[in-house]
Amino acid sequence: KQEVTQIPAALSVPEGENLVLNCSFTDSAIYNLQWFRQDPGKGLTSLLLIQSSQREQTSGRLNASLDKSSGRSTLYIAASQPGDSATYLCAALGTYKYIFGTGTRLKVLA
Amino acid sequence: DVKVTQSSRYLVKRTGEKVFLECVQDMDHENMFWYRQDPGLGLRLIYFSYDVKMKEKGDIPEGYSVSREKKERFSLILESASTNQTSMYLCASTSGGDRSSYNEQFFGPGTRLTVL
Repeated sequence: KQEVTQIPAALSVPEGENLVLNCSFTDSAIYNLQWFRQDPGKGLTSLLLIQSSQREQTSGRLNASLDKSSGRSTLYIAASQPGDSATYLCAALGTYKYIFGTGTRLKVLA
Repeated sequence: DVKVTQSSRYLVKRTGEKVFLECVQDMDHENMFWYRQDPGLGLRLIYFSYDVKMKEKGDIPEGYSVSREKKERFSLILESASTNQTSMYLCASTSGGDRSSYNEQFFGPGTRLTVL
């Protein structure tokens, strides 16, 4: 059974710092992995999608990588800003459905 | 701009009521999903649909049913609402005929349901 883990559960950093969020999954047979952002009380906003044949995707200050063999994905945020404060979730698409991690709550301090 | 909309942002219902949550997407997506999100439990899949009139149970279908009469609309029905169904309900959609071709999953804004 696929399990997706995100560590740490919470992270607090000063503005301007580069940071890495981690996502681990137990079953490497995934079709894709998607990173989301969620603001309090809101829905999920798609950030990046990595198909299983890809190694990374970039959008602006965000870069996501995927290593299926080790069961890991990372989301790199460059030059963090207070507006980046949110919960970040990853979701792995397996043979049956998407499995979500429980998220990393990020706070960027001004 | 792609859009998934949900009928209500906040809803308060009484125990035993029948509750309808509606989700509409304007992206002509084949696949639609209903999740609930609870603190400490993350997102859990209730039902999903990969085509009109098709539905499949997710992890926690008990107490829920769904309807997909048109491609753009996916409804979640609580047959007899109970207090343990108080939660945030999120609808999502994605294109792709099979999982190997699934693209980005897009979410609606969510419905915060409180059952008294």
